[in-house]
Amino acid sequence: ETGVTQSPTHLIKTRGQQVTLRCSSQSGHNTVSWYQQALGQGPQFIFQYYREEENGRGNFPPRFSGLQFPNYSSELNVNALELDDSALYLCASSRPGLADNEQFFGPGTRLTVL
Amino acid sequence: GNSVTQMEGPVTLSEEAFLTINCTYTATGYPSLFWYVQYPGEGLQLLLKATKADDKGSNKGFEATYRKETTSFHLEKGSVQVSDSAVYFCALRDAGGTSYGKLTFGQGTILTVHP
Repeated sequence: ETGVTQSPTHLIKTRGQQVTLRCSSQSGHNTVSWYQQALGQGPQFIFQYYREEENGRGNFPPRFSGLQFPNYSSELNVNALELDDSALYLCASSRPGLADNEQFFGPGTRLTVL
Repeated sequence: GNSVTQMEGPVTLSEEAFLTINCTYTATGYPSLFWYVQYPGEGLQLLLKATKADDKGSNKGFEATYRKETTSFHLEKGSVQVSDSAVYFCALRDAGGTSYGKLTFGQGTILTVHP
């Protein structure tokens, strides 16, 4: 069984640029959640996608957006990057109704904004 | 809103010492509670969980009991090993149909175990 994968591993951007991060969910999982983990902090919920629709959103501005594809993989897009966007971005896949809806996390993408 | 508070860190212990990492939460209803572990350069791994009051989650020698009366879920291990060095996160998940499985995390506690 393939676990959750994310790409790229690391990324460096400059302020004002746009970035796209990618996540492939675990086999059989139809829900993907994205989290932002700033250095020395716990992960903060950005949003969740279920069956290609946004299914809940945390306290993040609209310049954070996402997509989910028919194969349940997902993208996180961030426009107009700011220095404070530097963080580890984690995605987690799950399947409501299965295994108590446990979320399985990928290794993350480390984004640095200069 | 929901929140999770972990004990201030970091925690430094010698091998075979007893470990306690405190976690308290604020939430409505009956959330599920989790401990996740993050090893250097890796994502989060679920360590243990408890879904209702008085449940005890356990895994790899770690234990935590869901205490609703004190809104706590403290992590314990009787004898730590060097390989337990990592960052530990306490988290909760809302109960109820509108929660969509969102996890709320504490700030994390860095554990370092010396030989």
